[in-house]
Amino acid sequence: DAGVTQSPTHLIKTRGQQVTLRCSPKSGHDTVSWYQQALGQGPQFIFQYYEEEERQRGNFPDRFSGHQFPNYSSELNVNALLLGDSALYLCASSSVWGHHNYGYTFGSGTRLTVV
Amino acid sequence: KNEVEQSPQNLTAQEGEFITINCSYSVGISALHWLQQHPGGGIVSLFMLSSGKKKHGRLIATINIQEKHSSLHITASHPRDSAVYICAVDFDDRETLLIQGAQKLVFGQGTRLTINP
Repeated sequence: DAGVTQSPTHLIKTRGQQVTLRCSPKSGHDTVSWYQQALGQGPQFIFQYYEEEERQRGNFPDRFSGHQFPNYSSELNVNALLLGDSALYLCASSSVWGHHNYGYTFGSGTRLTVV
Repeated sequence: KNEVEQSPQNLTAQEGEFITINCSYSVGISALHWLQQHPGGGIVSLFMLSSGKKKHGRLIATINIQEKHSSLHITASHPRDSAVYICAVDFDDRETLLIQGAQKLVFGQGTRLTINP
């Protein structure tokens, strides 16, 4: 049973460029959340997708956008990259039941370096 | 404000010692998670708690809802337990509870645990 798969694992981009990160959720999960983790810090919530819609968003600028596909996989897009966007980007999948999420499963993350 | 605080930030101990990591949060929650993160990034979910106590092998997690406090204990610690341990909570946010699928985890800063042989 595959867990959460993220790609790529590592990425180097130049300031001003655009990047797309991908996440495939654990089998049976329908919700994908994205987090940014700067070095030495705890993960910060970016946004969450359920039923192909953004359900909640953290304090991140519009340069950060996302999408969820009918197969529940998700993409995180970051435009006009800044040096400060360098971080580990984590994807977590979960399953909605009622009004709560269950079974959070994390991917290994994509380490983005902006130079 | 929904906040999660962990202590200590760093902990170094000798192999075999009993380890306790603490987590406090500010308002009501629906669930609390203890996570483990090894160098390289991947996060593993250890426990999800909404009340009481859970045990898995040498790991024990407890939560006191009234005091808004949780602890993670490691018995007979081993160098392979060295990692960052993170507490994360689902807050009982009335606004987001109305939106199905809108819950988010709020993370503590993590506790870096080093177990020396």
